[in-house]
Amino acid sequence: DGGITQSPKYLFRKEGQNVTLSCEQNLNHDAMYWYRQDPGQGLRLIYYSQIVNDFQKGDIAEGYSVSREKKESFPLTVTSAQKNPTAFYLCASSIAPGTGGYEQYFGPGTRLTVT
Amino acid sequence: SQQGEEDPQALSIQEGENATMNCSYKTSINNLQWYRQNSGRGLVHLILIRSNEREKHSGRLRVTLDTSKKSSSLLITASRAADTASYFCATDLDSSYKLIFGSGTRLLVRP
Repeated sequence: DGGITQSPKYLFRKEGQNVTLSCEQNLNHDAMYWYRQDPGQGLRLIYYSQIVNDFQKGDIAEGYSVSREKKESFPLTVTSAQKNPTAFYLCASSIAPGTGGYEQYFGPGTRLTVT
Repeated sequence: SQQGEEDPQALSIQEGENATMNCSYKTSINNLQWYRQNSGRGLVHLILIRSNEREKHSGRLRVTLDTSKKSSSLLITASRAADTASYFCATDLDSSYKLIFGSGTRLLVRP
């Protein structure tokens, strides 16, 4: 059963604590992404990775960190430096973009609540 | 800043009717994609239209692209209650790794 898994579905943390969100894919995709979605809003790119051991900041990387040690895994850490961490976090993957365009495959999301 | 803006923000129709939602963008694109999101779930890719294409069909979906007006439309024909979801357009500017998503249209199909 191919796809992207994110765990957990719901996560609750106290302010000041770091928290790591899991993302795993078995689609053999080179590229992986993390997005943040706030209520009634579109997606904003946090980080993306083109290949193992490489990643780039997206539009809202402050307060977040990632690693890409394996092709299948792209965990996201929400640090205490992130001022408004409560949000819905979506992980995605894709083949490497080419001239023909590409589609992104999304996981089911993790809803993080920080109080 | 938002590259893609959907219109309307919300749409309520009766089952069996057609639903049309629009997306406008600001800069030249390589391709434009439409995604669907059921409440509290991840996004699902619906259709991709390249900048040199004007229309594309997939089942009950019809997408048009007008690069001169920097706009796209998604038509869902003979809508069903199961089509209730949010629909997002996403623009790919230069075949890079970055898709820019709009804020979405929330579609409600009443049985």
